[in-house]
Amino acid sequence: DTEVTQTPKHLVMGMTNKKSLKCEQHMGHRAMYWYKQKAKKPPELMFVYSYEKLSINESVPSRFSPECPNSSLLNLHLHALQPEDSALYLCASSQPPGQGNQPQHFGDGTRLSIL
Amino acid sequence: AQSVTQLGSHVSVSEGALVLLRCNYSSSVPPYLFWYVQYPNQGLQLLLKYTSAATLVKGINGFEAEFKKSETSFHLTKPSAHMSDAAEYFCAVRLNSNDYKLSFGAGTTVTVRA
Repeated sequence: DTEVTQTPKHLVMGMTNKKSLKCEQHMGHRAMYWYKQKAKKPPELMFVYSYEKLSINESVPSRFSPECPNSSLLNLHLHALQPEDSALYLCASSQPPGQGNQPQHFGDGTRLSIL
Repeated sequence: AQSVTQLGSHVSVSEGALVLLRCNYSSSVPPYLFWYVQYPNQGLQLLLKYTSAATLVKGINGFEAEFKKSETSFHLTKPSAHMSDAAEYFCAVRLNSNDYKLSFGAGTTVTVRA
């Protein structure tokens, strides 16, 4: 059982749809992350939130819009996606850096397919 | 720039044989090091992490890794492979304690032959 929960597990959407990915953790972590992972590749960092504030945006297209409503929740709002955006989207959480060698804990991801 | 290299994109071992996955990092100072495993249709699971307290680190599922500063390496081993070890393995580094970012290696796919 993972301690980071992501919903939905699978999502198929058209290029004109609007959808959201959700992530929840109850480990008391104050840093949360969104990654994109293509098949047989390592995860690529998209966004980092620290203490509910956006800390890092890795030049992600505006069709991806993150949101951190509170310290336990992280959303990724999707709009007008392209076929190349089809991937596994992973959420992770950790204690913020500066508190020792804290690892990131990952959810099982949302498998996104864009038609 | 911080980087991590995993030698061998694919490793095939017989059940019961030694598993050795190689990871080298490029940094002038010892970074924060991790090994993750990813089973099909799942997220990344932490196998182990390096702490400066010990150069030999024991992780879950019988895996361990040895930090060698002179070789800038953090290789992962398991003495006896099990069929359930078939997965993708990622080495990851964080340069310093204030860095949010993890740099991942390209990954190594492990297959286990019966």
